[in-house]
Amino acid sequence: DTQMTQSPSSLSASVGDRVTITCRASQGIRNYLAWYQQKPGKVPKLLIYAASTLQSGVPSRFSGSGSGTDFTLTISSLQPEDVATYYCQKYNSGPWTFGQGTKVEIK
Amino acid sequence: QAQLVQSGAEVKKPGASVKVSCQASGYTFTAYYIHWVRQAPGQGLEWMGWINSNSGGTSYAQKFQGRVTMTRDTSISTAYMEVSRLISDDTAVYYCARDLAAAPENAFDIWGQGTMVTVSS
Repeated sequence: DTQMTQSPSSLSASVGDRVTITCRASQGIRNYLAWYQQKPGKVPKLLIYAASTLQSGVPSRFSGSGSGTDFTLTISSLQPEDVATYYCQKYNSGPWTFGQGTKVEIK
Repeated sequence: QAQLVQSGAEVKKPGASVKVSCQASGYTFTAYYIHWVRQAPGQGLEWMGWINSNSGGTSYAQKFQGRVTMTRDTSISTAYMEVSRLISDDTAVYYCARDLAAAPENAFDIWGQGTMVTVSS
């Protein structure tokens, strides 16, 4: 099975900072990669699919890039409401594995 | 608007079974797959499997083969996920989620509110 590894596991940044989270697949998955945001006690929310396509209604400060095995999620200017855990997920074929998550906090 | 509404919290004893429901509204139920994902307390997301809401075909993560059964009732736009032979490690929030574009190889755009299943003697 393809493993999904995120880094870092957690980060603390100031409001307005540019934040980057990486996700690495152990095998190539083309662009079959999604990013989700999960706020504490809430349901996961789709942010980005097909590695770089912004889901409707998601703020434009979120962006995604990558293909094959290496992917990034970028928050261009961190806002207080972005405090959450972010997960990447592969969906090219089963199993639809998630990364272990990256917890983002405000410094 | 499209939404998924799940059944309420459950408390079960080890060895028992639990069946969680996920009722769809606001879209054509049979046009999309439903996936099931679970999250143990303080842990990450774990994909369990999917069901083709039209044909009833299923695909399960290897870890759950033989212990999880996914079914659906198209007459009431509802998907079900049953876990048998429960153990304490099955304590988790169980989510249903819809695929983005009518095929399993897609991200999940609509999620249910989650169902907490607690396994305790």
